[in-house]
Amino acid sequence: EDKVVQSPLSLVVHEGDTVTLNCSYEVTNFRSLLWYKQEKKAPTFLFMLTSSGIEKKSGRLSSILDKKELFSILNITATQTGDSAIYLCASNSNSGYALNFGKGTSLLVTP
Amino acid sequence: EPEVTQTPSHQVTQMGQEVILRCVPISNHLYFYWYRQILGQKVEFLVSFYNNEISEKSEIFDDQFSVERPDGSNFTLKIRSTKLEDSAMYFCASGSINIQYFGAGTRLSVL
Repeated sequence: EDKVVQSPLSLVVHEGDTVTLNCSYEVTNFRSLLWYKQEKKAPTFLFMLTSSGIEKKSGRLSSILDKKELFSILNITATQTGDSAIYLCASNSNSGYALNFGKGTSLLVTP
Repeated sequence: EPEVTQTPSHQVTQMGQEVILRCVPISNHLYFYWYRQILGQKVEFLVSFYNNEISEKSEIFDDQFSVERPDGSNFTLKIRSTKLEDSAMYFCASGSINIQYFGAGTRLSVL
């Protein structure tokens, strides 16, 4: 059975800190790994990563996947209170269409 | 920016009643999905839909569930006879086989 495990489950930081969120995966016939930000409403797509190992960046957020160690990290630099959310990691397999989600990391950025 | 829209945002129903959750996917997307998230648990895949038919479904998606794309814009999830354990947030998503974009969800409360 495919597995996605996120750590930590929750995190509290001060504005301006840098955070690293972790996602490990065990996926048969791996296609990609996706990161989403979930605030009160829709999970918002952040990044898709493949076994190419290419780092993805968008502003203060970046993410990379290690295909040998089977994990991905999401980095947020110079955190702001608006970064407070649940960050979801999900795997995608070539065997089907479903995203398999982890339990998420709840990030709280305090002023 | 185009987005996936879901209605209603909150649905309250009595056990045993039928409910229909509605979604308008992003217009040029070809793949459509339903997920659910029970309070405190992870997001779980229900079903994917492509080319006017179900392409994959999970064990959760039993005979009580059905999906339909009645016209060129709407995508619906029907639960025939709701149970207490169907209470959850239901997310619609659309996209490609690689990236899925989520709606804000319908919170279903079964009393």
